Amino acid sequence: SQTIHQWPATLVQPVGSPLSLECTVEGTSNPNLYWYRQAAGRGLQLLFYSVGIGQISSEVPQNLSASRPQDRQFILSSKKLLLSDSGFYLCAWRAGTSVLNEQFFGPGTRLTVL
Amino acid sequence: KNQVEQSPQSLIILEGKNCTLQCNYTVSPFSNLRWYKQDTGRGPVSLTIMTFSENTKSNGRYTATLDADTKQSSLHITASQLSDSASYICVVSPFNTDKLIFGTGTRLQVFP
Repeated sequence: SQTIHQWPATLVQPVGSPLSLECTVEGTSNPNLYWYRQAAGRGLQLLFYSVGIGQISSEVPQNLSASRPQDRQFILSSKKLLLSDSGFYLCAWRAGTSVLNEQFFGPGTRLTVL
Repeated sequence: KNQVEQSPQSLIILEGKNCTLQCNYTVSPFSNLRWYKQDTGRGPVSLTIMTFSENTKSNGRYTATLDADTKQSSLHITASQLSDSASYICVVSPFNTDKLIFGTGTRLQVFP
């Protein structure tokens, strides 16, 4: 069966510090991968998605970046965090090309920038 | 602009009671509509998915309906349980894309 992992689960970082969140998927190959952010009282916002190794599409211009160094690994990074980067970050994967295929979400990372 | 709005923002009910959550969307054309359940501090989990041609879909005590003409969907929960306490998110997928548009969710609390 397929599983998706995210770490860390919780992170508190000072403004201006770097960030690296990792997401890995097991039990599937060549998944579509997604990074979302969920701010308090807001809907999930798509940040990045990837259809293959090294292929990254950015949805929202910001100081975050994403990379996919391996087929089932997706990394969200920042060189300098802002207060507005605080939120709940979710990684998700989807198999295949059908838009009806479900997106499966990871457990999330709660990021607080102070 | 494609939007998904949900009501109410929050809801409190007693265990065993039924409830209905609403979703209005402006996404057009759209491919499918999903309802997700999100426990606090966890990732969303899919409950139902309906294509634009479907009117209703059930998953146990959860029943989703879709009216594509009025662009409305509802999620009905029957005989609520304490474990139903969560946020319920309506998600619409525009046609010919796998990008999802999320509503802000309804926070449901079930008390004994």
